[in-house]
Amino acid sequence: ETGVTQSPTHLIKTRGQQVTLRCSSQSGHNTVSWYQQALGQGPQFIFQYYREEENGRGNFPPRFSGLQFPNYSSELNVNALELDDSALYLCASSLGGQAGGDTQYFGPGTRLTVL
Amino acid sequence: DQQVKQNSPSLSVQEGRISILNCDYTNSMFDYFLWYKKYPAEGPTFLISISSIKDKNEDGRFTVFLNKSAKHLSLHIVPSQPGDSAVYFCAARAFSSGSARQLTFGSGTQLTVLP
Repeated sequence: ETGVTQSPTHLIKTRGQQVTLRCSSQSGHNTVSWYQQALGQGPQFIFQYYREEENGRGNFPPRFSGLQFPNYSSELNVNALELDDSALYLCASSLGGQAGGDTQYFGPGTRLTVL
Repeated sequence: DQQVKQNSPSLSVQEGRISILNCDYTNSMFDYFLWYKKYPAEGPTFLISISSIKDKNEDGRFTVFLNKSAKHLSLHIVPSQPGDSAVYFCAARAFSSGSARQLTFGSGTQLTVLP
């Protein structure tokens, strides 16, 4: 069974640029959630995708957007980067729907630094 | 408004002793709770969970207790081992059929197990 993978591991961008982060979900999972973890804090929910549709969103501006593909992999896009976007971005996969469980399994994260 | 609180940023315990990590929550709609462990440069790893219909769940050295009236849960690790040294996050999910099963996290507790 393949776990959740994320790429890239680290990324450095400058203010105003755009960034795309990628996530491959665990085998058999159809739901991907994205979280932002700032230093010294717990992960904060950004949004979730279930079967290629956005299924819920946290308190993040529209410049945070995402996609989920037919193979259930996902992308997180952030436009007009700000210094405060510097954080660890975590992807988590789970089995959603009526038969789904509530446990989310996390990838190793992408460390984004905005200068 | 922090709905999930871990009031102890750090905890040190002697190897072989019990570690008790605490978590408080405010949202009465939370019905599923999880504990994750996180090592530096890795994503959170799922440890154990509990549904609100139970008050205890045990898995090997790890036991989670839930006190719904006090809106409090705790994670007990017995016996503690040096490899348990990590940041522990408490997370909770509010029941909402048909929408995102997002997790709300606490800010974490750094557990250090001393040899």
